[in-house]
Amino acid sequence: DQQVKQNSPSLSVQEGRISILNCDYTNSMFDYFLWYKKYPAEGPTFLISISSIKDKNEDGRFTVFLNKSAKHLSLHIVPSQPGDSAVYFCAASAPTIRGKLIFGQGTELSVKP
Amino acid sequence: ETGVTQTPRHLVMGMTNKKSLKCEQHLGHNAMYWYKQSAKKPLELMFVYNFKEQTENNSVPSRFSPECPNSSHLFLHLHTLQPEDSALYLCASSKLAENTDTQYFGPGTRLTVL
Repeated sequence: DQQVKQNSPSLSVQEGRISILNCDYTNSMFDYFLWYKKYPAEGPTFLISISSIKDKNEDGRFTVFLNKSAKHLSLHIVPSQPGDSAVYFCAASAPTIRGKLIFGQGTELSVKP
Repeated sequence: ETGVTQTPRHLVMGMTNKKSLKCEQHLGHNAMYWYKQSAKKPLELMFVYNFKEQTENNSVPSRFSPECPNSSHLFLHLHTLQPEDSALYLCASSKLAENTDTQYFGPGTRLTVL
């Protein structure tokens, strides 16, 4: 039973446009959410996180939105750049399992010039 | 450069070999992790060490044996592996705190078992 799901395996966006990556979760105990970016042959790189006490967190071109009632979070990248092409993973954590991140399957983003 | 290093980056081994993966973190963190990433699957947590004590063993077969001699170093000892163990093995570290759980990953070891 997958508690964190990324239903889109891939996404293609034009350079300069907005990329929106989505993530759904089932466990209402999750209170901390993260996005990671992964290039081939490298480890995941932490991008941005959000606590459940917020509904939005912004860092430069990256914004994460959290909708607790829908158990949904999204990552917006504006404007998208070719260097953003990578696999993006969302992850979640709960107070009872701190230190145990639950990852989604990943979405491969391709930003075309 | 995330402050977490892993060696070797690539490893090919036979099913009867014994090898070890090494991870080192330079971030002053108190928790370290081993993950496995197989093709088309989410990252799977294997082991968690908190202040050198193993706090999680996620039903990992005994042919994988972790060792954490101090809070900066983590090893994964491998013996009599199977071809299906071929995967990317990732090490991560974090500073465990009540309200956050940000983990920083190393570059991984690409393991191929023949």
